[in-house]
Amino acid sequence: DAMVIQNPRYQVTQFGKPVTLSCSQTLNHNVMYWYQQKSSQAPKLLFHYYDKDFNNEADTPDNFQSRRPNTSFCFLDIRSPGLGDAAMYLCATSRGDISNQPQHFGDGTRLSIL
Amino acid sequence: AQSVAQPEDQVNVAEGNPLTVKCTYSVSGNPYLFWYVQYPNRGLQFLLKYITGDNLVKGSYGFEAEFNKSQTSFHLKKPSALVSDSALYFCAVRVSYNNNDMRFGAGTRLTVKP
Repeated sequence: DAMVIQNPRYQVTQFGKPVTLSCSQTLNHNVMYWYQQKSSQAPKLLFHYYDKDFNNEADTPDNFQSRRPNTSFCFLDIRSPGLGDAAMYLCATSRGDISNQPQHFGDGTRLSIL
Repeated sequence: AQSVAQPEDQVNVAEGNPLTVKCTYSVSGNPYLFWYVQYPNRGLQFLLKYITGDNLVKGSYGFEAEFNKSQTSFHLKKPSALVSDSALYFCAVRVSYNNNDMRFGAGTRLTVKP
Protein backbone atom coordinates (compact mmCIF):
# COMPACT_ATOMS: atom_id res chain seq x y z
CA ASP A 1 0.00 0.00 0.00
CA ALA A 2 1.14 3.50 -0.76
CA MET A 3 1.97 5.30 2.43
CA VAL A 4 4.00 7.76 4.44
CA ILE A 5 6.64 6.15 6.66
CA GLN A 6 8.45 7.82 9.50
CA ASN A 7 11.55 6.48 11.18
CA PRO A 8 12.23 6.00 13.95
CA ARG A 9 8.88 5.87 15.75
CA TYR A 10 10.56 6.83 19.01
CA GLN A 11 13.74 8.85 19.34
CA VAL A 12 15.59 9.79 22.50
CA THR A 13 18.36 12.35 22.38
CA GLN A 14 20.33 14.43 24.80
CA PHE A 15 19.89 18.11 25.39
CA GLY A 16 21.87 19.94 22.70
CA LYS A 17 22.74 16.83 20.67
CA PRO A 18 21.71 17.10 17.00
CA VAL A 19 19.03 14.72 15.84
CA THR A 20 17.54 13.84 12.45
CA LEU A 21 14.09 12.46 11.82
CA SER A 22 13.23 10.88 8.49
CA CYS A 23 10.15 10.56 6.34
CA SER A 24 9.61 8.62 3.13
CA GLN A 25 6.58 8.29 0.89
CA THR A 26 5.43 6.01 -1.89
CA LEU A 27 2.56 8.27 -2.97
CA ASN A 28 4.69 10.30 -5.37
CA HIS A 29 3.24 13.49 -3.90
CA ASN A 30 5.16 16.65 -4.69
CA VAL A 31 4.42 18.41 -1.41
CA MET A 32 5.83 17.25 1.93
CA TYR A 33 5.15 18.84 5.31
CA TRP A 34 6.62 18.66 8.79
CA TYR A 35 4.40 19.32 11.79
CA GLN A 36 5.14 19.49 15.51
CA GLN A 37 2.43 18.24 17.84
CA LYS A 38 2.56 18.60 21.63
CA SER A 39 0.31 16.88 24.16
CA SER A 40 -2.73 16.20 21.97
CA GLN A 41 -2.72 19.77 20.70
CA ALA A 42 -3.30 20.76 17.09
CA PRO A 43 -0.40 19.97 14.76
CA LYS A 44 1.73 23.04 14.16
CA LEU A 45 3.21 23.41 10.70
CA LEU A 46 6.98 23.94 10.78
CA PHE A 47 7.70 24.04 7.04
CA HIS A 48 6.91 22.34 3.78
CA TYR A 49 8.51 21.54 0.46
CA TYR A 50 6.61 22.19 -2.75
CA ASP A 51 8.74 20.14 -5.11
CA LYS A 52 12.21 21.46 -4.33
CA ASP A 53 11.01 24.81 -3.03
CA PHE A 54 11.39 25.15 0.72
CA ASN A 55 8.74 27.15 2.60
CA ASN A 56 9.44 28.02 6.22
CA GLU A 57 6.71 29.17 8.60
CA ALA A 58 7.49 32.56 10.08
CA ASP A 59 7.53 31.33 13.67
CA THR A 60 9.58 28.17 13.13
CA PRO A 61 12.76 28.42 15.23
CA ASP A 62 16.10 28.51 13.41
CA ASN A 63 17.00 25.38 15.35
CA PHE A 64 14.79 23.43 12.95
CA GLN A 65 15.92 22.69 9.41
CA SER A 66 14.87 20.36 6.67
CA ARG A 67 16.28 18.59 3.65
CA ARG A 68 14.56 16.95 0.72
CA PRO A 69 17.10 15.10 -1.41
CA ASN A 70 14.45 13.65 -3.74
CA THR A 71 10.68 13.33 -4.16
CA SER A 72 10.40 10.38 -1.80
CA PHE A 73 12.42 11.48 1.18
CA CYS A 74 12.38 14.40 3.56
CA PHE A 75 14.39 14.95 6.74
CA LEU A 76 13.88 17.12 9.81
CA ASP A 77 17.09 18.24 11.50
CA ILE A 78 17.08 19.71 14.98
CA ARG A 79 20.48 21.26 15.49
CA SER A 80 20.47 21.72 19.26
CA PRO A 81 17.40 20.20 20.84
CA GLY A 82 16.06 21.83 23.95
CA LEU A 83 13.62 20.41 26.46
CA GLY A 84 10.85 22.36 24.79
CA ASP A 85 11.38 20.45 21.57
CA ALA A 86 10.10 17.22 23.05
CA ALA A 87 7.02 16.44 20.97
CA MET A 88 5.51 14.23 18.31
CA TYR A 89 6.76 15.15 14.84
CA LEU A 90 4.43 14.36 11.98
CA CYS A 91 5.28 14.17 8.31
CA ALA A 92 2.53 14.59 5.72
CA THR A 93 2.26 14.67 1.94
CA SER A 94 -0.18 15.98 -0.62
CA ARG A 95 -0.54 16.67 -4.31
CA GLY A 96 0.31 20.26 -4.99
CA ASP A 97 -1.77 20.54 -8.13
CA ILE A 98 -5.06 19.60 -6.48
CA SER A 99 -6.03 21.72 -3.50
CA ASN A 100 -9.12 19.74 -2.53
CA GLN A 101 -7.23 16.58 -1.60
CA PRO A 102 -6.41 15.66 2.00
CA GLN A 103 -2.94 15.48 3.41
CA HIS A 104 -1.65 11.99 4.13
CA PHE A 105 0.14 11.57 7.45
CA GLY A 106 2.77 9.22 8.74
CA ASP A 107 2.48 7.76 12.23
CA GLY A 108 4.96 10.24 13.61
CA THR A 109 8.19 10.17 15.57
CA ARG A 110 7.94 10.85 19.27
CA LEU A 111 11.03 12.76 20.34
CA SER A 112 12.20 12.77 23.95
CA ILE A 113 14.99 14.98 25.27
CA LEU A 114 17.10 13.90 28.23
CA ALA B 1 -7.13 35.27 9.06
CA GLN B 2 -8.27 31.78 8.25
CA SER B 3 -9.10 29.66 11.26
CA VAL B 4 -11.20 26.85 12.62
CA ALA B 5 -12.57 26.46 16.10
CA GLN B 6 -13.58 23.36 17.97
CA PRO B 7 -15.51 24.68 20.96
CA GLU B 8 -15.43 21.45 22.96
CA ASP B 9 -12.24 19.98 24.36
CA GLN B 10 -14.03 16.81 25.34
CA VAL B 11 -17.17 15.00 24.23
CA ASN B 12 -18.53 12.01 26.14
CA VAL B 13 -21.24 9.76 24.77
CA ALA B 14 -22.60 6.33 25.56
CA GLU B 15 -22.11 3.52 23.09
CA GLY B 16 -25.02 3.30 20.67
CA ASN B 17 -25.98 6.94 21.08
CA PRO B 18 -25.50 9.53 18.34
CA LEU B 19 -22.44 11.72 18.55
CA THR B 20 -21.62 15.23 17.33
CA VAL B 21 -18.24 16.91 17.32
CA LYS B 22 -18.51 20.60 16.54
CA CYS B 23 -16.41 22.76 14.23
CA THR B 24 -16.81 26.33 13.04
CA TYR B 25 -14.64 28.11 10.53
CA SER B 26 -13.65 31.60 9.53
CA VAL B 27 -12.11 32.08 6.09
CA SER B 28 -12.08 34.49 3.23
CA GLY B 29 -12.86 32.67 0.02
CA ASN B 30 -14.30 29.23 -0.52
CA PRO B 31 -13.37 26.83 2.26
CA TYR B 32 -12.28 23.26 1.76
CA LEU B 33 -13.08 21.50 5.06
CA PHE B 34 -11.66 18.28 6.41
CA TRP B 35 -12.04 16.01 9.41
CA TYR B 36 -9.22 13.85 10.69
CA VAL B 37 -9.05 11.31 13.53
CA GLN B 38 -5.98 10.51 15.61
CA TYR B 39 -5.57 7.40 17.73
CA PRO B 40 -2.90 7.23 20.45
CA ASN B 41 0.65 7.32 19.09
CA ARG B 42 -0.57 7.42 15.51
CA GLY B 43 -0.71 10.03 12.78
CA LEU B 44 -3.83 11.79 11.60
CA GLN B 45 -6.19 9.74 9.47
CA PHE B 46 -8.46 11.41 6.95
CA LEU B 47 -12.18 10.86 7.58
CA LEU B 48 -14.03 13.09 5.13
CA LYS B 49 -14.02 16.41 3.32
CA TYR B 50 -16.36 19.05 1.98
CA ILE B 51 -15.40 20.77 -1.25
CA THR B 52 -18.66 21.71 -2.92
CA GLY B 53 -22.09 20.28 -3.65
CA ASP B 54 -24.24 18.34 -1.20
CA ASN B 55 -24.01 19.78 2.29
CA LEU B 56 -24.07 16.32 3.88
CA VAL B 57 -20.81 14.52 3.36
CA LYS B 58 -20.30 10.84 4.15
CA GLY B 59 -16.92 9.48 5.12
CA SER B 60 -15.06 6.57 6.63
CA TYR B 61 -16.23 4.39 9.54
CA GLY B 62 -19.84 5.57 9.32
CA PHE B 63 -19.03 9.21 10.00
CA GLU B 64 -20.72 12.08 8.22
CA ALA B 65 -20.52 15.85 8.43
CA GLU B 66 -22.90 18.64 7.61
CA PHE B 67 -21.68 21.84 5.99
CA ASN B 68 -23.70 24.90 6.99
CA LYS B 69 -22.61 28.04 5.20
CA SER B 70 -24.88 30.44 7.07
CA GLN B 71 -23.59 29.21 10.42
CA THR B 72 -20.04 28.65 9.10
CA SER B 73 -20.05 25.20 10.67
CA PHE B 74 -18.96 21.71 9.69
CA HIS B 75 -20.02 19.40 12.50
CA LEU B 76 -18.98 15.75 12.50
CA LYS B 77 -21.70 13.23 13.28
CA LYS B 78 -22.33 9.54 13.66
CA PRO B 79 -25.73 7.97 14.28
CA SER B 80 -24.50 5.27 16.65
CA ALA B 81 -21.19 5.60 18.50
CA LEU B 82 -18.79 2.72 19.10
CA VAL B 83 -16.26 2.40 21.91
CA SER B 84 -13.62 2.13 19.19
CA ASP B 85 -14.53 5.65 18.02
CA SER B 86 -12.81 7.02 21.13
CA ALA B 87 -9.98 9.18 19.80
CA LEU B 88 -8.88 12.76 19.12
CA TYR B 89 -10.70 14.51 16.29
CA PHE B 90 -9.40 17.47 14.33
CA CYS B 91 -11.25 19.77 12.01
CA ALA B 92 -9.16 21.52 9.38
CA VAL B 93 -9.72 24.14 6.71
CA ARG B 94 -7.77 24.74 3.55
CA VAL B 95 -8.37 27.95 1.68
CA SER B 96 -8.92 27.09 -1.95
CA TYR B 97 -6.59 29.65 -3.46
CA ASN B 98 -3.65 28.57 -1.29
CA ASN B 99 -3.12 24.91 -1.74
CA ASN B 100 -0.70 24.53 1.13
CA ASP B 101 -2.39 26.62 3.77
CA MET B 102 -4.23 24.30 6.13
CA ARG B 103 -5.37 25.30 9.59
CA PHE B 104 -6.24 22.73 12.24
CA GLY B 105 -8.62 23.17 15.12
CA ALA B 106 -7.43 22.51 18.66
CA GLY B 107 -8.94 19.05 18.65
CA THR B 108 -11.79 17.36 20.50
CA ARG B 109 -11.28 14.22 22.53
CA LEU B 110 -14.20 11.87 22.05
CA THR B 111 -14.81 9.23 24.69
CA VAL B 112 -17.43 6.59 24.06
CA LYS B 113 -18.37 4.64 27.16
CA PRO B 114 -19.79 1.10 27.05
